[in-house]
This record gives sequence, structure tokens and C-alpha cells, in this order.
Amino acid sequence: EDKVVQSPLSLVVHEGDTVTLNCSYEVTNFRSLLWYKQEKKAPTFLFMLTSSGIEKKSGRLSSILDKKELFSILNITATQTGDSAIYLCAVVGDGLTFGKGTHLIIQP
Amino acid sequence: ETGVTQTPRHLVMGMTNKKSLKCEQHLGHNAMYWYKQSAKKPLELMFVYNFKEQTENNSVPSRFSPECPNSSHLFLHLHTLQPEDSALYLCASSQAGGVGTDTQYFGPGTRLTVL
Repeated sequence: EDKVVQSPLSLVVHEGDTVTLNCSYEVTNFRSLLWYKQEKKAPTFLFMLTSSGIEKKSGRLSSILDKKELFSILNITATQTGDSAIYLCAVVGDGLTFGKGTHLIIQP
Repeated sequence: ETGVTQTPRHLVMGMTNKKSLKCEQHLGHNAMYWYKQSAKKPLELMFVYNFKEQTENNSVPSRFSPECPNSSHLFLHLHTLQPEDSALYLCASSQAGGVGTDTQYFGPGTRLTVL
């Protein structure tokens, strides 16, 4: 059975801090790893990673995949209160498996 | 852990068929969601139910008909679908929908192919 584990489950930091969110996986026939940001409604897509070692970057967010060690990290630098959300990791294998998410709270 | 289950996992149907997708959550949640995940498109929210009442319908065609008989079960009835409806249909649940930031737990999805 495919498995995706995110850590930490929750994190509280101050504005301006840098955070690193982790996602590890065990998936049959790995195809890609997805990061989503979930606020009040549907998760919004952040990144799709398919190749090891290639960093994807969008503004203050970046992510990288390690297919040998079976994990990915999502970094957010210079955090803002608007970054407060649940960050979901999902892996595409034979199916689509979501982790339980990291609940990130940015305090002013 | 069998938090959110979906059946069937795979479904192939013709355009004139009628079928139903089933979702069940064992987490004691009060909100349930249907999403559509098409190839190369972002996750699309279709319907939201809170305490068995539909609170959101994101302009979904009437050939998709949801049903929520209780807080633990959610169905998506399908009829006269089109090939472009082929996608992965995901069900999710959360403690309460649309109230603050509420973790959604996703099922494994039903891979639907419409011929």
C-alpha cells in the first residue's frame, strides 16, 4: 500500500522565519510528487516534482525531490502571515496518495 | 488506517451508462467533498457537503449528481457522461467544511474512464 508521511504535523513560527516542511513516501511505480497549499477551500497547486535534485522555485517557495532517499522538502523563506495554511504533499504512483498535511501558522 | 475509502477504485463506462461512485469516511467528520483531478489540470473542487447539506456546487454539469445520506457517506451518481469526464475523482472529508483552515483527508480516488 502506498504511503506518504509529512512532518511536522504542525508548526508555529514568527513572520520572517524560514521553514522547511518534509514529505517522505513509499510508493509503487513512482511518477511524481505534488505539493499543495490548502486554505479554506480546495488545495491550490504549488509544485510538481519528477526528477531528483532539481529545485523548483516560485517566489519565496522552493522544493526539491530526492528519489534515492524517497523524500521531498518544501522551503518557505521570509514567511508572511499569508503563508499560514495546511501544506499537503501527494505522490502519484499507481494511484494518488495524499499525506496528512503540515499545519503552518505564521505569527506576526 | 482506513480513514476515507472509495469504491470502485477503477471504473470504465459507456456514455449511456449510469453508475455511482461511493465514498465513506470513518473519521467522525462532518464535511465531505468531491474533487476532479484531470491529467495536466489542477485539482478541481466539485461539491461540498456540511452536515449532509450541500453548501457548494462549483458549476458542475447536471450529469454529475451528488448524494449525501449521512455525514459518513457520499455518493456521486453519473449518467450520460462524456469522454472528457474521464479523470480521477477524489473524495475528502474534514471536521467541518469552510470554517477556518480545516485539514482535509483524501480517499484513494476512483479512476474513471468514459468510452
